[in-house]
Amino acid sequence: LAKTTQPISMDSYEGQEVNITCSHNNIATNDYITWYQQFPSQGPRFIIQGYKTKVTNEVASLFIPADRKSSTLSLPRVSLSDTAVYYCLVVFSGGYQKVTFGTGTKLQVIP
Amino acid sequence: EPEVTQTPSHQVTQMGQEVILRCVPISNHLYFYWYRQILGQKVEFLVSFYNNEISEKSEIFDDQFSVERPDGSNFTLKIRSTKLEDSAMYFCASVLPPQETQYFGPGTRLLVL
Repeated sequence: LAKTTQPISMDSYEGQEVNITCSHNNIATNDYITWYQQFPSQGPRFIIQGYKTKVTNEVASLFIPADRKSSTLSLPRVSLSDTAVYYCLVVFSGGYQKVTFGTGTKLQVIP
Repeated sequence: EPEVTQTPSHQVTQMGQEVILRCVPISNHLYFYWYRQILGQKVEFLVSFYNNEISEKSEIFDDQFSVERPDGSNFTLKIRSTKLEDSAMYFCASVLPPQETQYFGPGTRLLVL
């Protein structure tokens, strides 16, 4: 499984765009990149998943360069309720295997 | 939107007691998982389950743990003789192929005294 590296913590003011970058140098051809959000004492919540280029949904965008060795989760105009831990995961396609969580990025949104 | 549900939300038990944690995966999902998260630590994989069989388990999932899908909707995790170090949040997750995304439940907080 490809190992991921992301910043331990980030601070942002309300209303700003937040970009969290994750590196996954050993990503394999069949791997997807998936991001989860976790609030204290709650289960991880799926945010977005992508394979390459750009994916956008109603809450976030995911940018993946051509070499796929990194990815960036973009949260537009964060609010206080976006304060959480964000996990970047590399998921093997087709195997329905376990997912391996790292320590994640603790995002603190400041008023 | 369909959700994974878990009961109870909190459970307090005495060391050595048996506990059963229950999960109702999203109805048409086929792969099921248990994870745990000790306070302040990473989410850790315990076991995956497909077609009424364990497909993978971690070192944590020793003989004290078992899983079952007794009635086609519930998915349970049993800890036969709880230890203090079993205190954690336990999360259930499920997947519907061919999608890869695991959807997690809200968790059960287990406290072993």
